[in-house]
Amino acid sequence: DIQMTQSPASLSASLGETVTIECRASEDIYNGLAWYQQKPGKSPQLLIYNANSLHTGVPSRFSGSGSGTQYSLKINSLQSEDVASYFCQQYYDYPWTFGGGTKLELK
Amino acid sequence: QVTLKESGPGMLQPSKTLSLTCSFSGFSLSTSGMVVSWIRQPSGKSLEWLAAIDWDGDKYYNPSLKSRLTVSKDTSNTQVFLKITSVDTADTATYYCARTTVILPPYYVMDAWGQGASVTVSS
Repeated sequence: DIQMTQSPASLSASLGETVTIECRASEDIYNGLAWYQQKPGKSPQLLIYNANSLHTGVPSRFSGSGSGTQYSLKINSLQSEDVASYFCQQYYDYPWTFGGGTKLELK
Repeated sequence: QVTLKESGPGMLQPSKTLSLTCSFSGFSLSTSGMVVSWIRQPSGKSLEWLAAIDWDGDKYYNPSLKSRLTVSKDTSNTQVFLKITSVDTADTATYYCARTTVILPPYYVMDAWGQGASVTVSS
């Protein structure tokens, strides 16, 4: 199985700040990577797919980048509604696997 | 509007079989490239992909659980089912189903999720 390692596990940031979450795959996943946002008590919601494509309706302050085994999610100008957990997921190979998650809180 | 909703027993005893149903609308599982996936999440933990079934009836399983999982769909292509045999406390989790669509073969992405069904395994 492809292992997905996410960092940091938790993050505290101020409103308006830019935050970056990293995800490392145990092998090349050829941009087969998605990012999900999960607010407390809710189901995950797709933010980014193919490493850098913004899903329909997702604010442009979210962006994804990376290639090979290293990927990142950036949130510009942090808003209060961005408080959530974020997960990366590879779909390059079965079984699809997720990162451990990053819990983002407001400072 | 795409909606999915999971339903299950809520609680069951160890060694029993867990049966879950995903009822959906707003898309057809008979459409080429369409897939429904099952994912679970223990409280406070990350997500684990379990299984998927595609428009053609092909099934995909997580090898770590494959011997215990069965995914199926109804003939009207409006419901997908997941059975997990011989459950134990480690199967306690929220179970989600998700519409999974092809973005560029063979890549698929889970672009719409249900609200989740909480399952507790306890004696």
